[in-house]
Amino acid sequence: QQQVKQSPQSLIVQKGGISIINCAYENTAFDYFPWYQQFPGKGPALLIAIRPDVSEKKEGRFTISFNKSAKQFSLHIMDSQPGDSATYFCAASKTGGGADGLTFGKGTHLIIQP
Amino acid sequence: EPEVTQTPSHQVTQMGQEVILHCVPISNHLYFYWYRQILGQKVEFLVSFYNNEISEKSEIFDDQFSVERPDGSNFTLKIRSTKLEDSAMYFCASSESAFNGYTFGSGTRLTVV
Repeated sequence: QQQVKQSPQSLIVQKGGISIINCAYENTAFDYFPWYQQFPGKGPALLIAIRPDVSEKKEGRFTISFNKSAKQFSLHIMDSQPGDSATYFCAASKTGGGADGLTFGKGTHLIIQP
Repeated sequence: EPEVTQTPSHQVTQMGQEVILHCVPISNHLYFYWYRQILGQKVEFLVSFYNNEISEKSEIFDDQFSVERPDGSNFTLKIRSTKLEDSAMYFCASSESAFNGYTFGSGTRLTVV
């Protein structure tokens, strides 16, 4: 029940296209859903996060869509650029990632082809 | 931009030896964490620390692991008797509150031989 399932495992998108990564969770107590971006040799960096009281959150080219009834959320990267090539992790926690730890998905290796 | 600093960046140790991984969280942050990432796999929660005590720990964080905040700025992870399967990237993270996303360090790559 603590799992977060992420797909696809890898994704290749043309420059300027839309990258879409999906996650599903089981634990209905989760109330914080961040996305992290990780470059090789670096730690994960918070990209954008959403709480279940909204269905969508947009920051620049990055949008999270959240479907509470389906227990699914997704990351959309608009106008994808080669610099977006990285591994993306969705995550979830029962609080704002405070006392409780984040449960991460297995990651999506995104490649943006120029 | 404030950073979480981890040292060393790479640690090689003999199986059975003790290692201490060091972290300097962001100065005004109150919550501290250790995560690990086995090569090519997902990031896994180990432990959270608040108000000088462990708040929560995962099943991975067994008796061979301990954490300490020895001097008000450093936050350490000790692995008492390392095993081959402890080889991984270990990430420290900190957050200002329980409701903000947190900042990860660049990690320490631990190799147990």
